[in-house]
Amino acid sequence: TQLLEQSPQFLSIQEGENLTVYCNSSSVFSSLQWYRQEPGEGPVLLVTVVTGGEVKKLKRLTFQFGDARKDSSLHITAAQPGDTGLYLCAGAADEDDMRFGAGTRLTVKP
Amino acid sequence: GAVVSQHPSRVICKSGTSVKIECRSLDFQATTMFWYRQFPKQSLMLMATSNEGSKATYEQGVEKDKFLINHASLTLSTLTVTSAHPEDSSFYICSARDLSKAYEQYFGPGTRLTVT
Repeated sequence: TQLLEQSPQFLSIQEGENLTVYCNSSSVFSSLQWYRQEPGEGPVLLVTVVTGGEVKKLKRLTFQFGDARKDSSLHITAAQPGDTGLYLCAGAADEDDMRFGAGTRLTVKP
Repeated sequence: GAVVSQHPSRVICKSGTSVKIECRSLDFQATTMFWYRQFPKQSLMLMATSNEGSKATYEQGVEKDKFLINHASLTLSTLTVTSAHPEDSSFYICSARDLSKAYEQYFGPGTRLTVT
């Protein structure tokens, strides 16, 4: 069972600041997903990365998959209060074995 | 995008009773569905993997006789919490894998179970 470590666990920043969330493991993943979850709701898929070194952009969010496919990062530029939420990374070594990191709880203050 | 629904969204039941939660993929077929449990301010913990037409695979520590999973069709999986106890109170979330997008899972909105 692979272990995904997310950091930081909590992050509180001011509107307009940049931030990076990290997701690390000693295991190699065939794919890695990032989700955002709001209280009382299910996670919403933001992005899937499958190729080592892959970089994907979603408006102000930039996702990177490590060359060795063991780690990933999520960078948010000019954070806004609407970005507040729980960000989860999830990795799969094979199609039926996806595990979640502990999550990063982001608060963006206006 | 792919949509997964869950029903009910909230349920309160008395200790000792059973509760059934439904998970449906609305606009795609899912041979595999997953059931997660989430405690307050914690991440999702995988309970079981459900494959259409076969028995579910449970994670270590999850009682299969207590959490009954049925995946009768490509669009429906159910989780039944049998003889519920207050410690079973939690947020239960299902997800479904789109057949045409092997790597991606889509989550339902979750079911808040409270056992009194």
